[in-house]
Amino acid sequence: QQQVKQSPQSLIVQKGGISIINCAYENTAFDYFPWYQQFPGKGPALLIAIRPDVSEKKEGRFTISFNKSAKQFSLHIMDSQPGDSATYFCAARGGTYKYIFGTGTRLKVLA
Amino acid sequence: DTGVSQDPRHKITKRGQNVTFRCDPISEHNRLYWYRQTLGQGPEFLTYFQNEAQLEKSRLLSDRFSAERPKGSFSTLEIQRTEQGDSAMYLCASSLGLVETQYFGPGTRLLVL
Repeated sequence: QQQVKQSPQSLIVQKGGISIINCAYENTAFDYFPWYQQFPGKGPALLIAIRPDVSEKKEGRFTISFNKSAKQFSLHIMDSQPGDSATYFCAARGGTYKYIFGTGTRLKVLA
Repeated sequence: DTGVSQDPRHKITKRGQNVTFRCDPISEHNRLYWYRQTLGQGPEFLTYFQNEAQLEKSRLLSDRFSAERPKGSFSTLEIQRTEQGDSAMYLCASSLGLVETQYFGPGTRLLVL
């Protein structure tokens, strides 16, 4: 019940295309859902985050869609660029500020 | 650079040796987290401090692991009697109060031979 399941494991997208990464959770006590971007040799960096009382949040080319009833949320990267090539992690926070991370999606954007 | 620093960045040790890692969070941040990340996996929660108090520790963390945060500033993570299975990236993150954003350091990559 503490898991966050993330898919796909890897994704290849053409430049200018839309990248979509999905996550699902079981624990309804989770109250905050961030997405992180990680480049090789670096720590994860917060990209965008959403609370469960909001169905969608957009920041620039990045959008989170949240479906509370289905317990699913997804990251959409519009107009994907080669510089977006990285590993993306979804996460969910429990009430004690403990974060559970997904297993990651390695995104490659072809020039 | 997020402002969270970790030292050392890389550590190679022999099985059975003790190692200690340091994390310096963003100065005003009162919450500090340690995570472990293995290849192809997301960060796995290890422990969490609010100021100097260690409020939560993962049940996955063996007794060989200990963490401290004296005076609520920097933190250390010690692994005693290292095993090959301890090889991983150890990440530190910090955040301020009720603000959710966690800022991660660059990590310490540990290799146990």
